[in-house]
Amino acid sequence: DTGVSQNPRHKITKRGQNVTFRCDPISEHNRLYWYRQTLGQGPEFLTYFQNEAQLEKSRLLSDRFSAERPKGSFSTLEIQRTEQGDSAMYLCASSFEGQRDTQYFGPGTRLTVL
Amino acid sequence: DAKTTQPNSMESNEEEPVHLPCNHSTISGTDYIHWYRQLPSQGPEYVIHGLTSNVNNRMASLAIAEDRKSSTLILHRATLRDAAVYYCILRDVGDDKIIFGKGTRLHILP
Repeated sequence: DTGVSQNPRHKITKRGQNVTFRCDPISEHNRLYWYRQTLGQGPEFLTYFQNEAQLEKSRLLSDRFSAERPKGSFSTLEIQRTEQGDSAMYLCASSFEGQRDTQYFGPGTRLTVL
Repeated sequence: DAKTTQPNSMESNEEEPVHLPCNHSTISGTDYIHWYRQLPSQGPEYVIHGLTSNVNNRMASLAIAEDRKSSTLILHRATLRDAAVYYCILRDVGDDKIIFGKGTRLHILP
């Protein structure tokens, strides 16, 4: 297993466009998390899934953001009508419920909104 | 969420031990103390966690004060690859998400 992967690694878009990011967790990990990190700050929790069920969403997750994990494996995070304030690193992490203390993070997708 | 306080930055010489402090005076009985680190241009990486007793693993040691209001992450022999931001985090036993603070940026001097 090669760990959590995220695609794309970098995305530049114009304000108002929609973007979608993908996260492939470590196989057999049933929990998947999305975080956002801006420069100089620690990551901020956005949402998480157990299998295909979205169990918690942060207040930070506006209605322009939507996340899915349709088959309980990979997940997508879509941002509609992007704003310059959405520019950040979007991190995905996964964990196995039996060892949920440890989250394994991907390398992130860096979004730049012009 | 319980909060932690860490120094913004620290420096250490290569091949010397590093002690990274963390204060968590409002810790509750069900909060675990976790440490993650984030190397440049990478996602965070789990380091170690504990509840009451000191813990050791291949990466580091975690020393927890008797009253649990503070803890120290110990890197026994720092290398240049240990230069990173180190996050001290409290997680309730029933909480799945991680609440990160700003962490301590550790600089290693050759």
